[in-house]
Amino acid sequence: ILNVEQSPQSLHVQEGDSTNFTCSFPSSNFYALHWYRWETAKSPEALFVMTLNGDEKKKGRISATLNTKEGYSYLYIKGSQPEDSATYLCAHNNDYKLSFGAGTTVTVRA
Amino acid sequence: GAGVSQSPSNKVTEKGKDVELRCDPISGHTALYWYRQSLGQGLEFLIYFQGNSAPDKSGLPSDRFSAERTGGSVSTLTIQRTQQEDSAVYLCASRSGLATYEQYFGPGTRLTVT
Repeated sequence: ILNVEQSPQSLHVQEGDSTNFTCSFPSSNFYALHWYRWETAKSPEALFVMTLNGDEKKKGRISATLNTKEGYSYLYIKGSQPEDSATYLCAHNNDYKLSFGAGTTVTVRA
Repeated sequence: GAGVSQSPSNKVTEKGKDVELRCDPISGHTALYWYRQSLGQGLEFLIYFQGNSAPDKSGLPSDRFSAERTGGSVSTLTIQRTQQEDSAVYLCASRSGLATYEQYFGPGTRLTVT
């Protein structure tokens, strides 16, 4: 059973501040690492899929890094806005299955 | 184009009743997954369909759970004799094929068993 851990479980950020949080995953049999954003009552939205050690991806103010050798990924939000409030899910791809962490719930305060 | 759709969006049922949850994947996607998220837990894999291959049912928590995918498109997840611990958000996702990793999710069905 794969074990994907995300921390912190939740965090509160002041509008305009930057923040980051982590995902750790087993480094063996690695295929890909996914980040999703899940807003209440909506579908989880794919942010990034990363496959190579050292990968860095960016989408607007959100970026992610990947270290497959040590088994961790960071997600960064620069200049947080209220619309960034959501649960951010990390998932480790082992072959065709995704194993998800419990998520980090971000609340941006205006 | 149309994304993954699920119905109903919310379902409240009494303990012991059977429920059916429906998923319409993105047209042409050969892979379909069911997940669920119970309160405070991560998304839990339930079942995987890929084309005409036998489904991977390894995540189904008990024999009260079953799923089928008709014609390689629409899928139905059935829970028989529901229990309170079945209360969760049930998510469906589809993927275009074996060469890609990205899964596209539907909005989910929130099941509450009273």
